[in-house]
Amino acid sequence: GENVEQHPSTLSVQEGDSAVIKCTYSDSASNYFPWYKQELGKRPQLIIDIRSNVGEKKDQRLAVTLNKTAKHFSLHITETQPEDSAVYFCAASGAGFQKLVFGTGTRLLVSP
Amino acid sequence: DSGVTQTPKHLITATGQRVTLRCSPRSGDLSVYWYQQSLDQGLQFLIQYYNGEERAKGNILERFSAQQFPDLHSELNLSSLELGDSALYFCASSVAPSGTDTQYFGPGTRLTVL
Repeated sequence: GENVEQHPSTLSVQEGDSAVIKCTYSDSASNYFPWYKQELGKRPQLIIDIRSNVGEKKDQRLAVTLNKTAKHFSLHITETQPEDSAVYFCAASGAGFQKLVFGTGTRLLVSP
Repeated sequence: DSGVTQTPKHLITATGQRVTLRCSPRSGDLSVYWYQQSLDQGLQFLIQYYNGEERAKGNILERFSAQQFPDLHSELNLSSLELGDSALYFCASSVAPSGTDTQYFGPGTRLTVL
């Protein structure tokens, strides 16, 4: 089955810096890659997703890139703010899959 | 607000007891997923239902069971509770059962087993 690895597990940046979180997946049939943000004690919230017919997608300060050949995808957050501090989860799935497979999460800390 | 509701928000119970967690999906969504998140852990997929039928099983213990009712709400039953069952339990919903459909998460139920 699908396996998703996520790095780093913890990331500390200064406000205004960029943050990059990387994920790799194992199943070449995967074609849907969402990113979720989870604040402490709250529900995971979808922040951006990408499907395999595109290589990059941007939404304000967020960008995701996908390299299907290498089977990895990344989340880029520019101009980080303290409110970006949270745990970020990547996930992967495909049309024939029944479920999302989540990475282990990255705890992002943005210091003022 | 994702449109997915879960009750109760918090549940405190003792070992050996049985509890039921309830989830109502977003309007129009037919698929419901249950996840367990232990302290500082990731999201462990438990089980998926689509339009009343079980579609996929993950790391769900035999002590746990779920069902989806005709009105599409779902219940997760946890029995013979152990200390290690203490966790946040989330449900999520999507329109269809495919893994490529966006999943929207509810606020979760925090279960504490004493």
